Amino acid sequence: GAGVSQTPSNKVTEKGKYVELRCDPISGHTALYWYRQSLGQGPEFLIYFQGTGAADDSGLPNDRFFAVRPEGSVSTLKIQRTERGDSAVYLCASSPGTSGRAIDTQYFGPGTRLTVL
Amino acid sequence: AQSVAQPEDQVNVAEGNPLTVKCTYSVSGNPYLFWYVQYPNRGLQFLLKYITGDNLVKGSYGFEAEFNKSQTSFHLKKPSALVSDSALYFCAVRAPSGGSYIPTFGRGTSLIVHP
Repeated sequence: GAGVSQTPSNKVTEKGKYVELRCDPISGHTALYWYRQSLGQGPEFLIYFQGTGAADDSGLPNDRFFAVRPEGSVSTLKIQRTERGDSAVYLCASSPGTSGRAIDTQYFGPGTRLTVL
Repeated sequence: AQSVAQPEDQVNVAEGNPLTVKCTYSVSGNPYLFWYVQYPNRGLQFLLKYITGDNLVKGSYGFEAEFNKSQTSFHLKKPSALVSDSALYFCAVRAPSGGSYIPTFGRGTSLIVHP
């Protein structure tokens, strides 16, 4: 079946603008994660959804970042008043959420490369 | 707090030779450990994981990893490297209980396999 997809693959915006990044998880996966990956770094956790609710948003850097998953499938990461420091690759991952969250394998999308000029 | 260290930014190996990519971790309790590979402009791809049981875990593409509790290590290995193995490799750890089981990733190791 289809893997995790993310759109757009690249996004260039100007400082101060609003952006939305979309993630389509694997069908049936209840758990969804957003990460941010800066150059030369590993993925950094942002937010985790179990179903429709944000179970853990402790990784969001500030209140300019927000994410939703209204129907428990597609998720949108929203960034307000973008800053140059927000430039990174934003990764989405999903997992079945059925075999115990700690041991679930996460399946990653290709990421969205965000560039803030 | 849990953490992962990948002490080598880059590993160079000749095709056909064995390879090792190092990972050490710190976590409360018994760890759940993962290896992922990332090819250019692609997302992370799962290779293998250690949950419990046999310390030697076999994964995709001929890779394996050995869990060593006393050394808190989970090094990735392959007996014979291929040029196509050249990529970024990430180790990750999760605590077995408590919290929301968020994994912590290392900074990654660039593996370069020379023909």
